[in-house]
Amino acid sequence: GQQVQQSPASLVLQEGENAELQCNFSSTATRLQWFYQRPGGSLVSLLSNPSGTKHTGRLTSTTVTKERRGSLHISSSQITDSGTYLCAMFSGGSNAKLTFGKGTKLSVKS
Amino acid sequence: NAGVIQTPRHKVTGKGQEATLWCEPISGHSAVFWYRQTIVQGLEFLTYFRNQAPIDDSGMPKERFSAQMPNQSHSTLKIQSTQPQDSAVYLCASSHWGGQDTQYFGPGTRLLVL
Repeated sequence: GQQVQQSPASLVLQEGENAELQCNFSSTATRLQWFYQRPGGSLVSLLSNPSGTKHTGRLTSTTVTKERRGSLHISSSQITDSGTYLCAMFSGGSNAKLTFGKGTKLSVKS
Repeated sequence: NAGVIQTPRHKVTGKGQEATLWCEPISGHSAVFWYRQTIVQGLEFLTYFRNQAPIDDSGMPKERFSAQMPNQSHSTLKIQSTQPQDSAVYLCASSHWGGQDTQYFGPGTRLLVL
């Protein structure tokens, strides 16, 4: 079935460093959606884009659907960025369900 | 805008009992999704409604699980004869039109089956 692989599984940064989170998927995806989740918290939608690059604040999402990969760049990380980042794919057509990766757990230290 | 509302936030049931989970989508959204999150399996799709009609239930376990959307303002997920392996966080999401529109998630219902 469709699979989404995220790397790294966990990442520890010093405050102010940049983070690069990777997402690879096993079949043709037509759009990726990135989410953020604190332990025990809700899923918060960050960015969603079918291809190319999209920015919001310190976040940049890049999707290359032909190469079955995407990435989320977090610049100047802050302690409050700590949590789990989930990548999810739409697989095209009229299919509306999201297939999720297992996430990247980010810890930002002072 | 209150976002997607889910009740209850926590539910504890005994093995063999029934559990009903409620979801109120964002006002004006026509698509409602149910997902399940566990440590082992991660986030898995269960089912999807659009304009109250069931569209895709490919992720629903064939036995004991059912979902309904009786009106545009709420959906229910019912689990009959709950088993310990049903313990999970059940998440509801909504989007404007379905398809590949951005999905917005509720806080989830944490179900524990003893």
